[in-house]
Amino acid sequence: QQQVKQSPQSLIVQKGGIPIINCAYENTAFDYFPWYQQFPGKGPALLIAIRPDVSEKKEGRFTISFNKSAKQFSLHIMDSQPGDSATYFCAARWAGRRQLTFGSGTQLTVLP
Amino acid sequence: SQTIHQWPATLVQPVGSPLSLECTVEGTSNPNLYWYRQAAGRGLQLLFYSVGIGQISSEVPQNLSASRPQDRQFILSSKKLLLSDSGFYLCAWSVLGRQTYSGNTIYFGEGSWLTVV
Repeated sequence: QQQVKQSPQSLIVQKGGIPIINCAYENTAFDYFPWYQQFPGKGPALLIAIRPDVSEKKEGRFTISFNKSAKQFSLHIMDSQPGDSATYFCAARWAGRRQLTFGSGTQLTVLP
Repeated sequence: SQTIHQWPATLVQPVGSPLSLECTVEGTSNPNLYWYRQAAGRGLQLLFYSVGIGQISSEVPQNLSASRPQDRQFILSSKKLLLSDSGFYLCAWSVLGRQTYSGNTIYFGEGSWLTVV
């Protein structure tokens, strides 16, 4: 059972564009929603995270938008750069548990 | 600062051979430890997690096993590898027991590429 659905699977944008990656969840017991960035051959690294009592969080060029009623959250990358080309994973944590459930990933390519 | 080490980085093993991947965490005590697997072009699947020495929880039934012989050491093993075991294996850690915002963060190692031939 896929508890966190991520789309699109791949995304190509021009430099300076604003790629948007979306995730949807069904379990209302999730209480923490991080995004991870993974470069080829490397382990994922935490990029930004949000809790459901906040509708938006911004860190540098990265913004999470959270819609609790729709059970959706998304990652926006402002002024995208070729160095942002990577695979992005959304995730969710079940309240009271330690492990994360990950989306299937989005491979982002930013063209120069 | 905390660091996580995972080895070997790459491994090519024949079907039916044993496996041992090792992971150690430095700079923290009593961490939660995790093993994830990432198949090519796919997401991250949690295999095992541990909240203490000798305490292992399995998320997915398979021919893999995990052990935690020391506080900051986590080992992934198999007695007989299958072709389907090929993938990118990631060890990870988080702060034990912390329910604060930052305590939710999971930190990943560099990963181990396993190819079963």
